[in-house]
Amino acid sequence: ELKVEQNPLFLSMQEGKNYTIYCNYSTTSDRLYWYRQDPGKSLESLFVLLSNGAVKQEGRLMASLDTKARLSTLHITAAVHDLSATYFCAVASRTQGGSEKLVFGKGMKLTVNP
Amino acid sequence: DTEVTQTPKHLVMGMTNKKSLKCEQHMGHRAMYWYKQKAKKPPELMFVYSYEKLSINESVPSRFSPECPNSSLLNLHLHALQPEDSALYLCASSQDREGANTGELFFGEGSRLTVL
Repeated sequence: ELKVEQNPLFLSMQEGKNYTIYCNYSTTSDRLYWYRQDPGKSLESLFVLLSNGAVKQEGRLMASLDTKARLSTLHITAAVHDLSATYFCAVASRTQGGSEKLVFGKGMKLTVNP
Repeated sequence: DTEVTQTPKHLVMGMTNKKSLKCEQHMGHRAMYWYKQKAKKPPELMFVYSYEKLSINESVPSRFSPECPNSSLLNLHLHALQPEDSALYLCASSQDREGANTGELFFGEGSRLTVL
C-alpha cells in the first residue's frame, strides 16, 4: 500500500527566507501533485510532476521530482506572508482493480511571519 | 474561479434526515471523485466514478450513497448520518490518463456538513 510522508508537518519561517520541504513515498509512481489549501477553503492545484527529473516553477515556489528516490521537493524562495497555507503532496496509485487514485500526505502547515 | 461547482456550501442535518450533496463540472472530465476532509487532516478518498461507473469505493459506510447521473454530475446521498460524519466534503474531477492528460484533480469549493 502506498504511503506518502511529508516533512516537516509544521513550518514557521520569516519573510524573505528560503526553505525546502519534502515529500517521499513508498512505492513506484510516476506522477506527483502539489496542492495548496487555505483555511476553510478547497484545494488549489500548484504543480503536476509527471516524470523523473521534472522541475516546475511558479513565482516563489519550485517543485521537483526524483522518481528513483521516490522524493519530491518544494522549494520556497524569499517567502512572503501570502504563502501561508497548508501544502499537500499527492501521489498517483493504482488499485488492485486497475483504477487509479491519489494518496495524499498529511500536509505541511506553513506560517510566514513578517 | 473553480470549474467544479458544489451545492450546498453549508448543510446542517439531523441524524434522521435525508439530504444530498451535488457536484457539477463542465470541463468534459470523465472521472469524478468524492473526498471527505476533517479539520487539520488530508482529504480521504470516498468514491471514484470513471465514465459514469463506480470504480472505487473505499469501504465507505452505506449511509453514504453516491450517484453519477451523467458525466457532468455527481451526487452524494446522505441518510442516518452520525455526528462524526461532520466534515468538509470535496468533489473533484479529472480527465482520464489517455493521451496527454495528466490525471490532475480539480476540486470544488466543498460542502461543509454538520450533523447534529
